[in-house]
Amino acid sequence: EVQLVESGGGLVQPGGSLRLSCAASGFTFSSYWMSWVRQAPGKGLEWVANIKQDGSEKYYVDSVKGRFTISRDNAKNSLYLQMNSLRAEDTAVYYCARSLDGNRNNYFDYWGQGTLVTVSS
Amino acid sequence: AIRMTQSPSSFSASTGDRVTITCRASQGISSYLAWYQQKPGKAPKLLIYAASTLQSGVPSRFSGSGSGTDFTLTISCLQSEDFATYYCQQYYSYPPITFGQGTRLEIK
Repeated sequence: EVQLVESGGGLVQPGGSLRLSCAASGFTFSSYWMSWVRQAPGKGLEWVANIKQDGSEKYYVDSVKGRFTISRDNAKNSLYLQMNSLRAEDTAVYYCARSLDGNRNNYFDYWGQGTLVTVSS
Repeated sequence: AIRMTQSPSSFSASTGDRVTITCRASQGISSYLAWYQQKPGKAPKLLIYAASTLQSGVPSRFSGSGSGTDFTLTISCLQSEDFATYYCQQYYSYPPITFGQGTRLEIK
């Protein structure tokens, strides 16, 4: 059974940092692109970043470029999101999700349950 | 960025109804469109990809159509478990991958 389990969310002050993790199981993690998608309270879905199977390609939404870094450790079947210089508008539930590739099959067939990040003083 | 616009933003329907949700892309995206269902407090669930391909395990009352800029998600006979929010997503061109704003389907 495919499972994606996020962790690392919490309350952080504006300007602070947080590192999210996503533990994958039930599939060959190193064969899939992985993404982070977020959802602000009561709002819609926003794609944040994705990373190629070997980590050689990474892409970000403009609003997080230079502040967030996506990474992965295939040996540990884990995906990460390092979030720096956090702003109130980064407050959201963060989901990890997998896609078959980063091109013509870049839709998300499995999602984690999400972890809540709250940026507030 | 490609903008995805769903209509309506919300509406109410009854069990047994046939409902259609529309998604329009700001530029042509061929058939690179997916649909998701999300229930409160839960992660989104993939329903359809490539505009019309039903994801494994999804009931056949769900169907998708369209190509280019205009797409539809149809639920042929609403069941109680179908009341949720639905999102479209384009994956033709990125970054960024973009979603529609969502359509909330409520019980009449």
